[in-house]
Amino acid sequence: EIVLTQSPGTLSLSPGERATLSCRASQSIISNFLAWYQQKPGQAPRLLIYDASSRATGIPDRFSGSGSGTDFTLTITRLEPEDFAVYYCQQYVGSPKTFGQGTKVEIK
Amino acid sequence: EVQLVQSGAEVKKPGESLKISCKASGYSFTTYWIGWVRQMPGKGLEWMGIIYPGDSDTRYSPSFQGQVTISADKSNNTVSLQWSSLKASDTAMYYCARHRREVVTAVDASHIWGQGTMVTVSS
Repeated sequence: EIVLTQSPGTLSLSPGERATLSCRASQSIISNFLAWYQQKPGQAPRLLIYDASSRATGIPDRFSGSGSGTDFTLTITRLEPEDFAVYYCQQYVGSPKTFGQGTKVEIK
Repeated sequence: EVQLVQSGAEVKKPGESLKISCKASGYSFTTYWIGWVRQMPGKGLEWMGIIYPGDSDTRYSPSFQGQVTISADKSNNTVSLQWSSLKASDTAMYYCARHRREVVTAVDASHIWGQGTMVTVSS
């Protein structure tokens, strides 16, 4: 099973600032089959990024994904008020398709 | 519009059985994988398993193998998640989620999500 470790656990930032979230895998993720999701309280998760760096339909370009192998990053260039949420990474090449434990982006 | 609509919240006692559902609409039901994800109160996301409705090929996480059953009903465009004997530790929100691409391979991210079904198990 591939274990994903996200850091930091909580990120305290102000609107307009840049957010950098990390996701590290316990083994290399083939073909960068890694996704990022956003979840707000009381809502289902929403797909932001797939294949490590491709934005899903309708996702603003302030969200970007990068990385390969075992180290991946989600960057939000300028935080908007609606971006404060919990973010999860998920690898989907192995079975089970594991999630990281999440990073909460909160308003400072 | 592509959507997944899940059945309503359930309150059950330990030892009872339960089947919750996820009804798909707006796309070809048989050609996209659909999975289930658990979220215990205040916790993160856990991948439970997926099914390909076209041929009912099903994959489970080892953590959930033998604990739940995932099934698909092509006549009703519905995927279900079933327990034969609930435990208090099954209390959680359960989401169904469809893969992004119309491909046979199970390697894909989850793009379309249901609204979630809250299951509460308490004596």
